[in-house]
Amino acid sequence: DIQMTQSPSSLSASVGDRVTITCRASQGISTYLAWFQQIPGKAPKSLIYSASRLQSGVPSRFSGSGSGTDFTLTISSLQPEDFATFYCLQYSTYPFTFGPGTKVDIK
Amino acid sequence: QVQLQESGPGLVKPSGTLSLTCAVSGGSISSTNWWSWVRQPPGKGLEWIGEISHSGRTNYNPSLRSRVTISTDKSKNQLYLKLSSVTAADTAVYYCARDLVAGGDYWGQGTLVTVSS
Repeated sequence: DIQMTQSPSSLSASVGDRVTITCRASQGISTYLAWFQQIPGKAPKSLIYSASRLQSGVPSRFSGSGSGTDFTLTISSLQPEDFATFYCLQYSTYPFTFGPGTKVDIK
Repeated sequence: QVQLQESGPGLVKPSGTLSLTCAVSGGSISSTNWWSWVRQPPGKGLEWIGEISHSGRTNYNPSLRSRVTISTDKSKNQLYLKLSSVTAADTAVYYCARDLVAGGDYWGQGTLVTVSS
């Protein structure tokens, strides 16, 4: 199985901050990577697919980059509704695997 | 707008079979999509269970393959999950989702299944 790691596991930030989350795959996955946001008690929401393509309706403050094994999710200016846990998912190779999550909370 | 809605028993006895339904509306389960099940134990991360294509092809997580069956009923536009020989470790919120192979654009709201006697 491809192992996905994320860093940091948690972070505290303020509204307006620029936030970057990293996801690393244990082997190359090209750009078969997605990012999800999950608010407690809610289903994951797709933000980014193909490493850098924004899902329809997702604000442009979210962006993704990377290929191969190293990927980043950037929130250019953190908004109050962005405080959540973020997960990466590789869908290059079966079984699909998620990262362990990065929790973003209010400083 | 595609909507997915999971349903099923919230409590299953150990060694029993977990059976869930995902009703799809606003889109056809027969279209060119893959439909997945994902689960999340309380307070933990996400685990991919498996998927089924519009043509009935399936892919399962090897960690669960011996116990999982995913199927569809095109006439009802529904997706199904069966997980046999459950234990407390199978207690989780179970989600259905569309097209994880393309980033997973639509998810159900999830349903909590507790395994307990």
